[in-house]
Amino acid sequence: AQRVTQPEKLLSVFKGAPVELKCNYSYSGSPELFWYVQYSRQRLQLLLRHISRESIKGFTADLNKGETSFHLKKPFAQEEDSAMYYCALSGTTQGGSEKLVFGKGTKLTVNP
Amino acid sequence: DAGVTQSPTHLIKTRGQQVTLRCSPKSGHDTVSWYQQALGQGPQFIFQYYEEEERQRGNFPDRFSGHQFPNYSSELNVNALLLGDSALYLCASSFRGNEQYFGPGTRLTVT
Repeated sequence: AQRVTQPEKLLSVFKGAPVELKCNYSYSGSPELFWYVQYSRQRLQLLLRHISRESIKGFTADLNKGETSFHLKKPFAQEEDSAMYYCALSGTTQGGSEKLVFGKGTKLTVNP
Repeated sequence: DAGVTQSPTHLIKTRGQQVTLRCSPKSGHDTVSWYQQALGQGPQFIFQYYEEEERQRGNFPDRFSGHQFPNYSSELNVNALLLGDSALYLCASSFRGNEQYFGPGTRLTVT
């Protein structure tokens, strides 16, 4: 079964502190992993995907197949990082977009 | 390009009624996916349309149906509404295997 688990519903850190949002997944195959972010009053948007290996807004995420994890990290949190973060997975695409399976999300609050 | 647009923004219906939600994909996109997001939950996949056909379907009853038009826009229809159908309905568009772009959603309340 395909499943994404985000164990923390809420996460609060101070500005400048490191932040890590946890994501574990269950999938029988080679999934593609994503982090989506939703800022207040904005639509859901892609933050990063594991195949691109990019660092977006200072965030990075490494796919650990052994631990089936895809944790999101940032060394120094900023107040503008406060948002709802969703981890998601999809199957390997074959010429088409595969469905996304989302976790329940983690609300990150960065305090001044 | 306004990106993915959805209408209406909000909708209130009564149990047993039927509802139609609409989605216009981002320019150049040919695939539309629909998701249901209940309060406090992540989005849950309903189905996906490509070339006017349902390509994939999630674990939703037949009361949920859809359509894709030649201009790639899409509709989501829900029949015999239940209280549990109250949720934010998200549309996402994409081109082939690339990133899915989400719309702002339609908030459906069933009373």
